[in-house]
Amino acid sequence: ETGVTQTPRHLVMGMTNKKSLKCEQHLGHNAMYWYKQSAKKPLELMFVYNFKEQTENNSVPSRFSPECPNSSHLFLHLHTLQPEDSALYLCASSQEGTRGSDEQFFGPGTRLTVL
Amino acid sequence: GQNIDQPTEMTATEGAIVQINCTYQTSGFNGLFWYQQHAGEAPTFLSYNVLDGLEEKGRFSSFLSRSKGYSYLLLKELQMKDSASYLCAVRDSNYQLIWGAGTKLIIKP
Repeated sequence: ETGVTQTPRHLVMGMTNKKSLKCEQHLGHNAMYWYKQSAKKPLELMFVYNFKEQTENNSVPSRFSPECPNSSHLFLHLHTLQPEDSALYLCASSQEGTRGSDEQFFGPGTRLTVL
Repeated sequence: GQNIDQPTEMTATEGAIVQINCTYQTSGFNGLFWYQQHAGEAPTFLSYNVLDGLEEKGRFSSFLSRSKGYSYLLLKELQMKDSASYLCAVRDSNYQLIWGAGTKLIIKP
């Protein structure tokens, strides 16, 4: 595997379910990100981890819970979601989180539908 | 507040040239990125500008004017595979990326 991988690619869940999204990066990067992408809206940064430490939580509801066990893996735990949480969830990584020129490498995303 | 503006959709003809504009108002500036995103796929990096001027990379060029809060992405010799969304993003004073909503580019034969 190369680059940034995400599983599952598609997820349909009810509002009372609990599920987790997984992201893995094979680039040796130290920063990882969760984004939400809704149609015709800008990417919304949800969480940032730098060297496994969470450095950003952009007012994300507590029904989204991130976990970063090591610098290569990132999870997003989901519980009691709402239909408006349906979106594409993108994971990204970069060499560091505090260098201007660092580009972010994205995974293919998980298309989440909440019924 | 922080804001990135870019056109929602543009249409161009195969073989032609198209310019996609991006204007920004952010708290601080640590560079501007352009990404390409094909439908159903991940965004991929195209360019990074931090100094004023034009950066050329093959058929794609990116321009920045910091004093005007303005950038554009220039695509030459358009090909059908260039049909995609183009995302403008600015790195602010906290080194976070602020994203525009993207410009959907439609290429017609």
